[in-house]
Amino acid sequence: DTGVSQDPRHKITKRGQNVTFRCDPISEHNRLYWYRQTLGQGPEFLTYFQNEAQLEKSRLLSDRFSAERPKGSFSTLEIQRTEQGDSAMYLCASSIAGAGGTQYFGPGTRLLVL
Amino acid sequence: QQQVKQSPQSLIVQKGGISIINCAYENTAFDYFPWYQQFPGKGPALLIAIRPDVSEKKEGRFTISFNKSAKQFSLHIMDSQPGDSATYFCAAISGGGADGLTFGKGTHLIIQP
Repeated sequence: DTGVSQDPRHKITKRGQNVTFRCDPISEHNRLYWYRQTLGQGPEFLTYFQNEAQLEKSRLLSDRFSAERPKGSFSTLEIQRTEQGDSAMYLCASSIAGAGGTQYFGPGTRLLVL
Repeated sequence: QQQVKQSPQSLIVQKGGISIINCAYENTAFDYFPWYQQFPGKGPALLIAIRPDVSEKKEGRFTISFNKSAKQFSLHIMDSQPGDSATYFCAAISGGGADGLTFGKGTHLIIQP
């Protein structure tokens, strides 16, 4: 399977714990996006990388959230001191710069904060 | 982010009928309009997309109609099948894509056999 992959697919944690999610984009896709989707809503943009550079962050991305893409390939999204409001599906997408917005999504990581 | 308004919130169509979902946008800088299909527990899958220099794009049973002056676009699913039952999202993005896609709130489509 050469699509976008995400790990883990599900995560249950207690409030106050830190969690980290991983995204592996489609090979040779130099753009990588993180989105958050809550139940009954469309995905909301969180942040965007072109290669290893984080070029844009949404105001939704509080100080407790940090994302990295150290070698321009896979990316990680870390949430520190999780809150119940962080419970959501975290989606990763990738695209090729110049492809005009065609983004391909992974299966997502569903986070439940107890 | 600028808003993309999607309607209806839910839709029930008989098998073989036409499903129509509408979206309206505000930001005239948007220049790429994809539709995504999402099944429960899965990520969104790209269905079809259009740019504002064309008024219609057809791929199989799926057609996008685009009205630039009205800032509206719609998805038509012809000969709707039970397997089309899913949530559909319209989205929009501008230029370099640095802000990410702006999604509508989704339409829950049910195709009755």
